[in-house]
Amino acid sequence: NAGVTQTPKFQVLKTGQSMTLQCAQDMNHNSMYWYRQDPGMGLRLIYYSASEGTTDKGEVPNGYNVSRLNKREFSLRLESAAPSQTSVYFCASSQGGTSPLHFGNGTRLTVT
Amino acid sequence: AQSVAQPEDQVNVAEGNPLTVKCTYSVSGNPYLFWYVQYPNRGLQFLLKYITGDNLVKGSYGFEAEFNKSQTSFHLKKPSALVSDSALYFCAVRASDTGRRALTFGSGTRLQVQP
Repeated sequence: NAGVTQTPKFQVLKTGQSMTLQCAQDMNHNSMYWYRQDPGMGLRLIYYSASEGTTDKGEVPNGYNVSRLNKREFSLRLESAAPSQTSVYFCASSQGGTSPLHFGNGTRLTVT
Repeated sequence: AQSVAQPEDQVNVAEGNPLTVKCTYSVSGNPYLFWYVQYPNRGLQFLLKYITGDNLVKGSYGFEAEFNKSQTSFHLKKPSALVSDSALYFCAVRASDTGRRALTFGSGTRLQVQP
């Protein structure tokens, strides 16, 4: 029972490089989310997708793009990485409504 | 706008003693409130939620939380702490009456339970 799977687990980028963080869930959830976690700041929402075919900006969307590829997969792209994007990125999914979020184990990204 | 405050960066408690992790919130209208726990190098795990009804909600691992509307608080409690409860705890909120379905999280409180 995999739940929410994120790849890669770790990544180091140079400033200006691009990359895509992958997320897949096997719980048939409608909603998917991307958060970043920084020390002392908790989790901040980057983008979310309430259902397949829709995406919406969160609190900190600048510098990121997302694709809801299908119901299972929700990817996060950094087009031109900056040191300020050094963070731990978490993908989450939920059935929606008042259902709790299920989180992946995170991707630790360092931008030098 | 919705927000969550966790006023303590760290809470220290001795094993066997009761613990409280504080959370206050701000939303327009009625809140949906959640507690999550994070162990090292892992994602967050759901502990409990308040949606409506009884102000005292019970969750996983013996944790409970009390919703207080007048104080806009949702403190996490456990009668007897275990060393294995040591982790990072997050409170989260969203308003019940908006279309925005994403949670807003607090900054987290590190719980340290000493043997």
